[in-house]
Amino acid sequence: QQPVQSPQAVILREGEDAVINCSSSKALYSVHWYRQKHGEAPVFLMILLKGGEQKGHEKISASFNEKKQQSSLYLTASQLSYSGTYFCGTEEGGSGGSNYKLTFGKGTLLTVNP
Amino acid sequence: EAQVTQNPRYLITVTGKKLTVTCSQNMNHEYMSWYRQDPGLGLRQIYYSMNVEVTDKGDVPEGYKVSRKEKRNFPLILESPSPNQTSLYFCASRLAGAWTGELFFGEGSRLTVL
Repeated sequence: QQPVQSPQAVILREGEDAVINCSSSKALYSVHWYRQKHGEAPVFLMILLKGGEQKGHEKISASFNEKKQQSSLYLTASQLSYSGTYFCGTEEGGSGGSNYKLTFGKGTLLTVNP
Repeated sequence: EAQVTQNPRYLITVTGKKLTVTCSQNMNHEYMSWYRQDPGLGLRQIYYSMNVEVTDKGDVPEGYKVSRKEKRNFPLILESPSPNQTSLYFCASRLAGAWTGELFFGEGSRLTVL
């Protein structure tokens, strides 16, 4: 089942912060985050496994609340290079592990202006 | 260089003319998958494969076939293409264990069916 992302689009000025949310109605094994720039393939940002961990990648970090089946991507002090479409991908699964089927949300278009 | 290679990158064809989009990876990945990307719908999984001779349907498999005879190759076959299969297609691969995370994408194949 396709996870739900919000917001659908966000416009920032350089230096501002943003949060992108991803939620599922299914029990999740992991949440993945990817960024796609116009005309290019999606690029991996990070993966979060169930356990409520938070991970970071430069000024981009994410959290995963497995009880709520929700993940959030935090972009701090945004840069022009952060512009693109952000996708969350979810793998369903419980204590037995992942079903290995990675399903992506519809994406969030992030635009960072000077 | 580690990569996923898709061919052709661009194709215009007519309804009913069988076509194959090839995908090859040089990273010895067990897992391979095909996605289609349409405006506003995100990335939707067509088929995926956990290993040689092991394939499974994704969310939108109708009208497509796949085969996995070799570990490195995962071709997508459209037996009788129709206009609603006009889309941007991505092949992707990764190691089989979910904890390894990163999905490597090909550059994409833009298909137009007239």
